[in-house]
Amino acid sequence: NAGVMQNPRHLVRRRGQEARLRCSPMKGHSHVYWYRQLPEEGLKFMVYLQKENIIDESGMPKERFSAEFPKEGPSILRIQQVVRGDSAAYFCASSLYGTGDEKLFFGSGTQLSVL
Amino acid sequence: GESVGLHLPTLSVQEGDNSIINCAYSNSASDYFIWYKQESGKGPQFIIDIRSNMDKRQGQRVTVLLNKTVKHLSLQIAATQPGDSAVYFCAERRNDYKLSFGAGTTVTVRA
Repeated sequence: NAGVMQNPRHLVRRRGQEARLRCSPMKGHSHVYWYRQLPEEGLKFMVYLQKENIIDESGMPKERFSAEFPKEGPSILRIQQVVRGDSAAYFCASSLYGTGDEKLFFGSGTQLSVL
Repeated sequence: GESVGLHLPTLSVQEGDNSIINCAYSNSASDYFIWYKQESGKGPQFIIDIRSNMDKRQGQRVTVLLNKTVKHLSLQIAATQPGDSAVYFCAERRNDYKLSFGAGTTVTVRA
């Protein structure tokens, strides 16, 4: 059983470029969550998606950030016009039912570095 | 070894000793809690969870204790091993799906 797959593992972008982070949930999971982690800090919730629907994007900046989880293919976290403050580790997690009282399975993350 | 409060982010423990990692949560309405372990360069790995209708749950070498009166959660690791060196996060569920994570405690095991 493959776990949550994220790619790329490392992504380097210059200021103003776009960053696309991909996440394939565990097999059979249709609930995806994105978290951001700054150095020496805990994970901060960004967005929760089900297939083709954004359920909660309250943790995601209103500008430059967007997320999608299409019917086919991985979930994508897109950051437009990146700035240095976007440098962080971005983790994706998935769950089976999305009820909340079930553990989330995390991927290995994408480390975004903005030059 | 034992970490006290959220403001002591590191814990050094002798191999073979028991470790206690503490976490204070903020929302009295939180009803589900998870401990995660994060090794360098990796994503968080599930260790153990507990629901608010319980005060203790045991796993393999780990025990989680929940004190709802003082909103305190702890993770006990028995016979700590070098492979236990990592950052440990507690997470609480505040609504139906969103987990909120603490800042984490770095555990270093001394040989």
